[in-house]
Amino acid sequence: GESVGLHLPTLSVQEGDNSIINCAYSNSASDYFIWYKQESGKGPQFIIDIRSNMDKRQGQRVTVLLNKTVKHLSLQIAATQPGDSAVYFCAENTGGYNKLIFGAGTRLAVHP
Amino acid sequence: DAGVTQSPTHLIKTRGQQVTLRCSPISGHKSVSWYQQVLGQGPQFIFQYYEKEERGRGNFPDRFSARQFPNYSSELNVNALLLGDSALYLCASSWGNILNTGELFFGEGSRLTVL
Repeated sequence: GESVGLHLPTLSVQEGDNSIINCAYSNSASDYFIWYKQESGKGPQFIIDIRSNMDKRQGQRVTVLLNKTVKHLSLQIAATQPGDSAVYFCAENTGGYNKLIFGAGTRLAVHP
Repeated sequence: DAGVTQSPTHLIKTRGQQVTLRCSPISGHKSVSWYQQVLGQGPQFIFQYYEKEERGRGNFPDRFSARQFPNYSSELNVNALLLGDSALYLCASSWGNILNTGELFFGEGSRLTVL
């Protein structure tokens, strides 16, 4: 289905470590992908995007990797900070209009 | 610059009532999309509007409707509310088709509770 279960996987990291959040997307025809960060009680915050003609894109402290062969997306956060603690969603778009299909979400917990 | 703004931020309704949620996109953005986020899940697409026309609809019943105004703001209307409509309703705006323009920015949402 387009939405998945209630129990979010959690990634716990130490402050200063690098974090890698993984996502398996569903549609091999998807051509645009976005990572969002969502803090409790707030709307999703755009982090970084990547198009299907790329396999890597870097932002400030973040890198997104796309492997179309296995339909896998990852978000790497360098030098993770307590302010990075949130739920992270990957989202895919198959074009035509602005319908994003969101993954299950991963909770990132950063410990001092 | 102001981001996507939504109102009201919180509201409580009873079953069978109707609700209207409002959204103002980022200045210059012509496309508005609506999403429903049930607690513990990712957002689900409801509608997209571009230049006042519906461009996409998700798998939601006809009780859900929306419109976009000449100033690109938008309203989402839900009739005959059910308990299962309790959710965070998110509005997102973009310049146009995100495949061409990139980026879809969300507001903070309207939290609807149906009793």
